[in-house]
Amino acid sequence: GNSVTQMEGPVTLSEEAFLTINCTYTATGYPSLFWYVQYPGEGLQLLLKATKADDKGSNKGFEATYRKETTSFHLEKGSVQVSDSAVYFCALSGSGTSYGKLTFGQGTILTVHP
Amino acid sequence: DGGITQSPKYLFRKEGQNVTLSCEQNLNHDAMYWYRQDPGQGLRLIYYSQIVNDFQKGDIAEGYSVSREKKESFPLTVTSAQKNPTAFYLCASSSANWVAGQLTYEQYFGPGTRLTVT
Repeated sequence: GNSVTQMEGPVTLSEEAFLTINCTYTATGYPSLFWYVQYPGEGLQLLLKATKADDKGSNKGFEATYRKETTSFHLEKGSVQVSDSAVYFCALSGSGTSYGKLTFGQGTILTVHP
Repeated sequence: DGGITQSPKYLFRKEGQNVTLSCEQNLNHDAMYWYRQDPGQGLRLIYYSQIVNDFQKGDIAEGYSVSREKKESFPLTVTSAQKNPTAFYLCASSSANWVAGQLTYEQYFGPGTRLTVT
């Protein structure tokens, strides 16, 4: 079956530091890949997505590239802000008749200090 | 404003009682989903529905039930058979889009309901 593995957290950074959160996946066919962000006490917000190999998703300074050869979709940001503190989830939606069901990683807690 | 609403935000129940969580969307999406979130475990799919009057079990359906009588609504009932019902419950919806010859889905989430059973 499909699975998503995220790097162990939590991650603590100083403001303006470089961020990388690793995400690798296992899936058959050609899944779509997503990063979601969750602020305390809220639902999930779609941060970025990629639907095919070598696609780069980007939003609000965050980027992730769909790497089929390494089955990875690592999230990066060049300069984090305190307001980026949240939980980040990597997820995939399988191809074929999966009807958009998402498989999530366990989430990575990011804390950014001033 | 289009979006997904879940009510209430906080819900408290006594053990042995059934409880129904509301989820409404005005995005005209065909598909709707229910997830459960526990600390350190990410999100797990409970039930999903592709069209009205049809739904399928997800990975952890035991102790839960759903209905889909209207496109806009997908209520979840947590029954007394659910052994550990205390959790954060998230509803989502999506529509299917063709992108580069591939059918893709993009899910949008509601704000969640935190259920506490004592």
